[in-house]
Amino acid sequence: DVVMTQSPLSLPVTLGQPASISCRSNQSLIYSDGNTYLIWFQQRPGQSPRRLIYKVSNRDSGVPDRFSGSGSGTEFTLKISRVEAEDVGVYYCMQGTHWPPTFGGGTKVEIK
Amino acid sequence: EVQLVESGGGLVQPGGSLRLSCEASGFTFSSDWMHWVRQAPGKGLVWVSRINSDGRSTSYVDSVKGRFTISRDNAKNTLYLQMNSLRDDDTAVYYCARGWFDPWGQGTLVTVSS
Repeated sequence: DVVMTQSPLSLPVTLGQPASISCRSNQSLIYSDGNTYLIWFQQRPGQSPRRLIYKVSNRDSGVPDRFSGSGSGTEFTLKISRVEAEDVGVYYCMQGTHWPPTFGGGTKVEIK
Repeated sequence: EVQLVESGGGLVQPGGSLRLSCEASGFTFSSDWMHWVRQAPGKGLVWVSRINSDGRSTSYVDSVKGRFTISRDNAKNTLYLQMNSLRDDDTAVYYCARGWFDPWGQGTLVTVSS
């Protein structure tokens, strides 16, 4: 199975400051159709996961534009341009290129 | 509004069985693949199983193969997970999710304990 490694484990951020989460895979996530099936999820405390970004950089409807995804091959990044209080939670990357789908271990974003 | 509502969780003894349900609304259920994903207390997300739109193709994570069975009833817009021979390490919140994992249900807690 593809191993997804996220860093850091914990990310204390000052309100209004940027935040960046790294996600690395041990195999290329480029599928034979040319797409890269890398997804980012947000899980707020006590809530179920919510998809934020699909295929590396496509923001889901209703997701604030302060969230952006980038990367290629085996290295990917989720950036929050200016962290707000509602962004507190755990963020997960997931690959859907190779079967079975696998998740990163999560990055906990908290306010300093 | 697209909505998924899980039910059927609870406390069960090791070796016991449980059937989870996920009722879908707000979209054409029969057109989408569906997944089950679980999250042990305080832990991360683990994909468990998926089923294609007509129910003829299924896949499972190795740790549940032979014990869990995913199925669906497109006439009832409902996804199921039959869980047999439950073990302590199956304790988790179980979520259903549509297609490319959007959206997710609110989850149902399964606790396996004597």
